[in-house]
Amino acid sequence: DAGITQSPRHKVTETGTPVTLRCHQTENHRYMYWYRQDPGHGLRLIHYSYGVKDTDKGEVSDGYSVSRSKTEDFLLTLESATSSQTSVYFCAISVVRGQGSGRNEQFFGPGTRLTVL
Amino acid sequence: EDQVTQSPEALRLQEGESSSLNCSYTVSGLRGLFWYRQDPGKGPEFLFTLYSAGEEKEKERLKATLTKKESFLHITAPKPEDSATYLCAVQAGGGGFKTIFGAGTRLFVKA
Repeated sequence: DAGITQSPRHKVTETGTPVTLRCHQTENHRYMYWYRQDPGHGLRLIHYSYGVKDTDKGEVSDGYSVSRSKTEDFLLTLESATSSQTSVYFCAISVVRGQGSGRNEQFFGPGTRLTVL
Repeated sequence: EDQVTQSPEALRLQEGESSSLNCSYTVSGLRGLFWYRQDPGKGPEFLFTLYSAGEEKEKERLKATLTKKESFLHITAPKPEDSATYLCAVQAGGGGFKTIFGAGTRLFVKA
């Protein structure tokens, strides 16, 4: 399972409050990702990281920020939560198969269910 | 624009009734196509990666195939425990290994 944990696993919060979700990996993989999953939309990429302090936006990044100060931790922050951010959030890592081949496989954590009231 | 479309949205089978799930894609420079299984309340579980047209991979009752425009996940003699949502995803060339997912096919296998 690539040693990925997410915390918290469930959270209920109110509109306008800040929320931080944590993803932790134990195998020092370089690439980490945050996705959200909503009915009818599948998994959509929010942000990703390609190393410590190196991050970039995905397709649904508005309203979210990320930080990666250590290889093993990737944090997703909702600065001011809105009801439209109610979703299930998944963290993933890419395991690269062979240097320079571009071949990789993504493995997912167990998810965080966030409800914004 | 890179896009992944899965069909059908839902599929109901009797135990032992073989069938296929479809994943059609458009992507600029396919790096890889992925299949995942997802059970309710859990994260996606990696099944296969296919890298080039003509490639096939098998795992138990599942077989994935790839052409230049689509991939099929064939399920042979399914069992109730195969019931899950199956996700297809594609990865284009470029940095970051960004991956585009389809909406999934929900499979129900009745005993």
